[in-house]
This record gives sequence, structure tokens and C-alpha cells, in this order.
Amino acid sequence: AQSVSQHNHHVILSEAASLELGCNYSYGGTVNLFWYVQYPGQHLQLLLKYFSGDPLVKGIKGFEAEFIKSKFSFNLRKPSVQWSDTAEYFCAVMGYSGGGADGLTFGKGTHLIIQP
Amino acid sequence: GAGVSQTPSNKVTEKGKYVELRCDPISGHTALYWYRQSLGQGPEFLIYFQGTGAADDSGLPNDRFFAVRPEGSVSTLKIQRTERGDSAVYLCASSQSGVNEQYFGPGTRLTVT
Repeated sequence: AQSVSQHNHHVILSEAASLELGCNYSYGGTVNLFWYVQYPGQHLQLLLKYFSGDPLVKGIKGFEAEFIKSKFSFNLRKPSVQWSDTAEYFCAVMGYSGGGADGLTFGKGTHLIIQP
Repeated sequence: GAGVSQTPSNKVTEKGKYVELRCDPISGHTALYWYRQSLGQGPEFLIYFQGTGAADDSGLPNDRFFAVRPEGSVSTLKIQRTERGDSAVYLCASSQSGVNEQYFGPGTRLTVT
């Protein structure tokens, strides 16, 4: 079984601060990795994804994430946050079992608050 | 439609009643997923359809939960004999195939009183 751990449940930053949200996963096989965001009152949206290739992936709104296979990590980063980045952020893993792709396994989420 | 739609957006029911939740995926998406999100938690996988068949139903918590997708498009999640612990937001997602990113709907908030 796979699992996802997000280390920070609540993060408060000031505008223009740098952001790094930690994500570690547990799974023995091939994985696809995702970060989803949920803005207040909205549904889950994809921020970025890693399937293969360059382990540094860039997503929307200036976000990026780095897949480090040896550390089973997929941390999300943004060099300078904005007030509009206030949202809930979820790391997710899709593993591949013998029957094909599994559903996504999500972390518990990080509630990010950006103070103006 | 432009995105995944779910109806109803809110459902309040009494303990012991039967409920049906509907998901209309993005047109042409063959894969459809159901998740459940409790307060303060990330979404929890329930079931995955590829076409009309359930490819993986390992996340369904017990036999009170059942889902169908008879024509490979719209799906219905059915919950029998609802319990207060079933209260959550039920999310549906679809993707072009089982290996691509999933697009989520707005969810149905189920409250069992």
C-alpha cells in the first residue's frame, strides 16, 4: 500500500517570502506524482505533475517541484508567494500495481495562509 | 461539458436512508474516479472505472457503498443504510485514460443526521 506524508499542516507566510512544502511518499514501484491546490470555495486543481524525465517540474502560477527518488520526496516550491496563493495544497501519488494504474493517494494537505 | 459536474452539490439525509450521488465526467474521458474527503483530511480513494467496468474498487469501505457506470460516461455512487460517519464531501474525477492527470469536480457534500 502507498502512503503520502505532508510535514506541514499549517503554514503562515508573508507576501514575497519563499515557500517550500514537504511531501514524502511510500511506495515500492513506479509512481506518478502530483500537487493539487484547492482555493477557498473552489474545487481541486492540478498545480503540477511528474511522470518521468527531468525531476524538476514547473507548474502553473510560478510553482515548481523536485522529485528526489532516493529520498522518496516531491517538495513544492515557489520563490515569492502572493496573497492569492492562500489555499490548501495536496501532494498525491499514483502507483502502478499489477492491474494497472491505481487511484490517487493523497496527503492530508497543507493549509497555506499568506499575509499581506 | 467543460468540466466534471456533480449533483447534488449538497445532500442532507437521515441515518438509515439510501442516497445516490451523480458524476458527469469530461466528455471523452474513459477513466472515472470516486473519492471521499472528510474534514481536515485529503481525499481518500474509493473506486476507479475504466469504461463501464470497475477496474479497482478496493477503496470502498464496506458493502453499503456501490457505484455504477453503465454506459461508460455518467457514474452514480450509491450508499445504502447511511450512517453519520458517511458524512463527507464525495469527489469525482475523470481522466483521458488511467495514467493521466485527473480533473476533479466540485464535490457533493453529504450530511447524515
